[in-house]
Amino acid sequence: AQSVTQLGSHVSVSEGALVLLRCNYSSSVPPYLFWYVQYPNQGLQLLLKYTSAATLVKGINGFEAEFKKSETSFHLTKPSAHMSDAAEYFCAVSPNTNAGKSTFGDGTTLTVKP
Amino acid sequence: GAVVSQHPSRVICKSGTSVKIECRSLDFQATTMFWYRQFPKQSLMLMATSNEGSKATYEQGVEKDKFLINHASLTLSTLTVTSAHPEDSSFYICSAINRGTYNEQFFGPGTRLTVL
Repeated sequence: AQSVTQLGSHVSVSEGALVLLRCNYSSSVPPYLFWYVQYPNQGLQLLLKYTSAATLVKGINGFEAEFKKSETSFHLTKPSAHMSDAAEYFCAVSPNTNAGKSTFGDGTTLTVKP
Repeated sequence: GAVVSQHPSRVICKSGTSVKIECRSLDFQATTMFWYRQFPKQSLMLMATSNEGSKATYEQGVEKDKFLINHASLTLSTLTVTSAHPEDSSFYICSAINRGTYNEQFFGPGTRLTVL
């Protein structure tokens, strides 16, 4: 069994400020973890993924996330927000088996203020 | 990167008609495809898992006779909404897994279905 909790359905930051989107997971087996971004009326785009290699994962658009097993967390960060980062962000977990289903969090809407 | 397309991007139909949505993996063979439904401001709800050459596996509460899924080849899966009603109006998204990519899902752009 697996689940994802995204703390904070809405996050608002000023342009240039730190972005922190929180994700906690539970999984009965070692997990793969993902962050996706969704712009209005579009599909999801992968930002980054954790696959049991390095615990600090760097992704596209300056985002990174750190896998912390002891805290069962996989928070997404970006040092300096840009207006174009405004979107919906989803954290997802899947078992580390071939073609395993992913479970998605409820999403966090990121707003960037000028 | 791997590309997944969906067609159509938008469809408006009358109540009682059937609508087919296609999901194609353009540059890889997708052994597994997923179909999701997304309501406004909500997360993705997995409807079914589609494996090439076998019957789809539906999630609890999803009517398999209403949402027909066919995964006819390693690059194509279709979702047919039969006898559509206004409550079926939603954003439908497919995704595909490329073997060996740690279950990374490549998502299609989505299909907006509106049933009048």
